[in-house]
Amino acid sequence: DIVMTQSPDSLAVSLGERATINCKSSQSVLYSSNNKNYLAWYQQRPGQPPKLLIYWASTREYGVPDRFSGSGSGTDFTLTISSLQAEDVAVYYCQQYFSSLLTFGGGTKVEIK
Amino acid sequence: EVQLVESGGGLVQPGRSLRLSCTASGFTFGNYALIWVRQAPGKGLEWVGLIRSKDYTGTTEYAASVKGRFTISRDDSNSIAYLQMNSLKTEDTAVYYCTRSHDYGDLFVGSWGQGTLVTVSS
Repeated sequence: DIVMTQSPDSLAVSLGERATINCKSSQSVLYSSNNKNYLAWYQQRPGQPPKLLIYWASTREYGVPDRFSGSGSGTDFTLTISSLQAEDVAVYYCQQYFSSLLTFGGGTKVEIK
Repeated sequence: EVQLVESGGGLVQPGRSLRLSCTASGFTFGNYALIWVRQAPGKGLEWVGLIRSKDYTGTTEYAASVKGRFTISRDDSNSIAYLQMNSLKTEDTAVYYCTRSHDYGDLFVGSWGQGTLVTVSS
C-alpha cells in the first residue's frame, strides 16, 4: 500500500497568516501517461464530515475559497492556506488515489494562535 | 442536491455481523463509484473499501484490515449501497461514512454522508 505521511501533526497560525501542510507519499502518485498527480486534500471541521478541497494535487473544488491552494508532484505535496480565517480551524487530510487501495494521511490539525 | 444517508449503525458484540445501508439521491447513482470511509473516535480517516460503477467494471476493493470480513454491494435500481460487516472486532468501532466519487471514473470523494456510528463491544 502507498503510505501517506503528513506533517506537522498540528500547527497554530495567527489569523491572516499563512498555514502550510505537507504530505509525502511512499511512492510516486504521478501517472506518466496523463501527467496527473493522483492526490486530493480534504478539510474536516469539528463535528462535520470531511469536505473535498483540492484534487489532482492542485485543482480547487468548486466553491472552495482561493486562499486554499495545492502544489507538488511525484511524492511531495503541500496544501497552503494563504490567509488563515477563523472558519479554517479544522483537520486537513491528504489522500492518494493512484492505487485503488486508497490511503489517507494521518491528518494535520490547524488552530488559531 | 447530492444526498447520502447511512443507516444500520449501532452497538454490536464482537464476532457478530452488521449491515450498513447508504441511500442516495440527487444524482444518477449507477454512474459513480461508492467509497466507504471510517473514522474511529478521535482518530483520522481510514479507507474501508469501494465499489466501482458497472461502466467501470463494478468491481470492489478492500483495505487489508477488513478484507475477507466486509463486503460492499450496490443496488443501482434503488440507489442503495451496502456494507456487510462480518466477524466484527472492537477495532472496527468507528463512524462509517458512505461517500460518492467526485466523477464517474474517479476514486476520490466528491460527496460525503453524515456517517453512522458502529460500536463493537461486549
